[in-house]
Amino acid sequence: RKEVEQDPGPFNVPEGATVAFNCTYSNSASQSFFWYRQDCRKEPKLLMSVYSSGNEDGRFTAQLNRASQYISLLIRDSKLSDSATYLCVVTPYNQGGKLIFGQGTELSVKP
Amino acid sequence: DGGITQSPKYLFRKEGQNVTLSCEQNLNHDAMYWYRQDPGQGLRLIYYSQIVNDFQKGDIAEGYSVSREKKESFPLTVTSAQKNPTAFYLCASSTSGQGKETQYFGPGTRLLVL
Repeated sequence: RKEVEQDPGPFNVPEGATVAFNCTYSNSASQSFFWYRQDCRKEPKLLMSVYSSGNEDGRFTAQLNRASQYISLLIRDSKLSDSATYLCVVTPYNQGGKLIFGQGTELSVKP
Repeated sequence: DGGITQSPKYLFRKEGQNVTLSCEQNLNHDAMYWYRQDPGQGLRLIYYSQIVNDFQKGDIAEGYSVSREKKESFPLTVTSAQKNPTAFYLCASSTSGQGKETQYFGPGTRLLVL
């Protein structure tokens, strides 16, 4: 079983749609959780951190359920510029801050 | 401008050749990391360093070597022992390597085997 697993893609949605990405992780001792965005042939960039209380940044909402070891990302009113690969990322406890990446879910927003 | 730079952007390696990828940061970060990304896959950790003159193996260290002689620099050598080196190599840094802070990535180096 992979340490971090994401929904297989790609997701093809029209502009204005709401889309949700799911992610599960296997290490219950994981301490930090993130969503990164990666554009084609570019480096990953932090989209948002994920907290148990949930957090929102504009059209983006992230949720963490530690009991179920589940992370989600919701994008509302999707834009063409949201097209990218979204990476679910987890930091194990006491391992030098290394990041464990899911394989990514590709999103394509169409006009 | 503060940030992480990687060079070269593209690198070609011949069979049996060692090549070195450069990573420099001026963010005054203590921790630096090297990841490898293969098509359709997530990033995997090669080596990391939480402080100057110290580094640890990541999940796929075989065939790679690193050094951390300066805080700003963390070069990665891909040795001839790495049998499948073609990949996208990404360097990252963070404040302290304690796990809760953001990692910032450089633009990456694409390595191709001739």
